[in-house]
Amino acid sequence: QSALTQPASVSGSPGQSITISCAGTSSDVGAYNYVSWYQQHPGKAPNLLIYDVSKRPSGVSNRFSGSKSGNTASLTISGLQAEDEADYYCNSYTSSSTWVFGGGTKLTVL
Amino acid sequence: QVQLQESGPGLAKPSETLSLTCTVSGGSVSSVSYYWSWIRQPPGKGLEWIGYISYTGSTNYNPSLKSRVTMSVDTSKKQFSLKLNSVTAADTAVYYCAGAYCSRTSCYIGYWGQGTLVTVSS
Repeated sequence: QSALTQPASVSGSPGQSITISCAGTSSDVGAYNYVSWYQQHPGKAPNLLIYDVSKRPSGVSNRFSGSKSGNTASLTISGLQAEDEADYYCNSYTSSSTWVFGGGTKLTVL
Repeated sequence: QVQLQESGPGLAKPSETLSLTCTVSGGSVSSVSYYWSWIRQPPGKGLEWIGYISYTGSTNYNPSLKSRVTMSVDTSKKQFSLKLNSVTAADTAVYYCAGAYCSRTSCYIGYWGQGTLVTVSS
């Protein structure tokens, strides 16, 4: 299985909005609405931000939102804050009953 | 709240077997909706899903690692384990155990251990 495709890096200024894309295939992202997004700060375990494409776990800010169109999912962060600077990973359940991650995107808050 | 904790040697020798155990607290390893997973992250690189095991012992592994991976579960100890054989330096990584929840309408990896660094070196 091939990793999902994410941009290596994105950046934005405080208060702005950014979107991170996650491109897959009809066997993973396009197969089910089971795309998740994780935030990872240096030296820490990943933290679940979005699951099932657009659902937010309790405690996650509503500045984080997810969507999907066809074989591509997206994570949008609105009202960028300094603490949003981190690595972001998408993840999808696949038609082979496995999981696959994206390569990760480094978000820089300017 | 489910909590996971990895344990095991932080050093493995090339060509030998890497062995890790994950202890689950705050939840049941025997839940039908959970798939107990291992994920790794080489230093400075991205996440790689290794595989999962259910409480019944059924497994599914990443095709790229399938020939070297074995997972097991001990419901009485609330633990599941990973063995990766014939390791090389490329297997040096932080290894995370994780809990994936899947139902008919939802499926995601929701719970993560803190991770443990395993270095492969002689």
